[in-house]
Amino acid sequence: GQQLNQSPQSMFIQEGEDVSMNCTSSSIFNTWLWYKQEPGEGPVLLIALYKAGELTSNGRLTAQFGITRKDSFLNISASIPSDVGIYFCAGHGSSNTGKLIFGQGTTLQVKP
Amino acid sequence: NAGVTQTPKFQVLKTGQSMTLQCAQDMNHEYMSWYRQDPGMGLRLIHYSVGAGITDQGEVPNGYNVSRSTTEDFPLRLLSAAPSQTSVYFCASTAGNTEAFFGQGTRLTVV
Repeated sequence: GQQLNQSPQSMFIQEGEDVSMNCTSSSIFNTWLWYKQEPGEGPVLLIALYKAGELTSNGRLTAQFGITRKDSFLNISASIPSDVGIYFCAGHGSSNTGKLIFGQGTTLQVKP
Repeated sequence: NAGVTQTPKFQVLKTGQSMTLQCAQDMNHEYMSWYRQDPGMGLRLIHYSVGAGITDQGEVPNGYNVSRSTTEDFPLRLLSAAPSQTSVYFCASTAGNTEAFFGQGTRLTVV
């Protein structure tokens, strides 16, 4: 089945630093989504990408839908302590079923 | 606007017991899914539904049953709980291949 490889698995950074994480797949995805999960909560959408090559920003967050439709990245600029959490990439494949395939997650810790 | 509501939030079961995790959404979404989350493995799809009366298996369906009698509800049944089913379970709904909305999760421990 379709799989997403997300890296890095974890990051421990200083407040103010920029962060970059990415996801790759061996197959094409029609939608790329980036979620953040905080302890005890469900994932919450950060950015949705629907078109190959699309570059979208949401405040300090920027994400891109790779032109090959097999990858995506998320950048966080000037990190702050509340950025702590687990970040997931997720994608919809070719079938119109609403199924999401998730990456393994990137755990981000920010040192004040 | 409640979104996706899951109950219970916490549950402890003994091996062999059965139970139902409830999920309801009030957004009139066609598609609903159940995922389990284990450390370092992201969220894995258990079962999904593309509409009332239609369900299908995901990546890890064994030991779980679902039904979709209404658009709003999508319960997940554990037939005979096993320690390997200790996990956090999330229900999600979506209007299509767009954003999925998640419930707050059910933390299940099987002893």
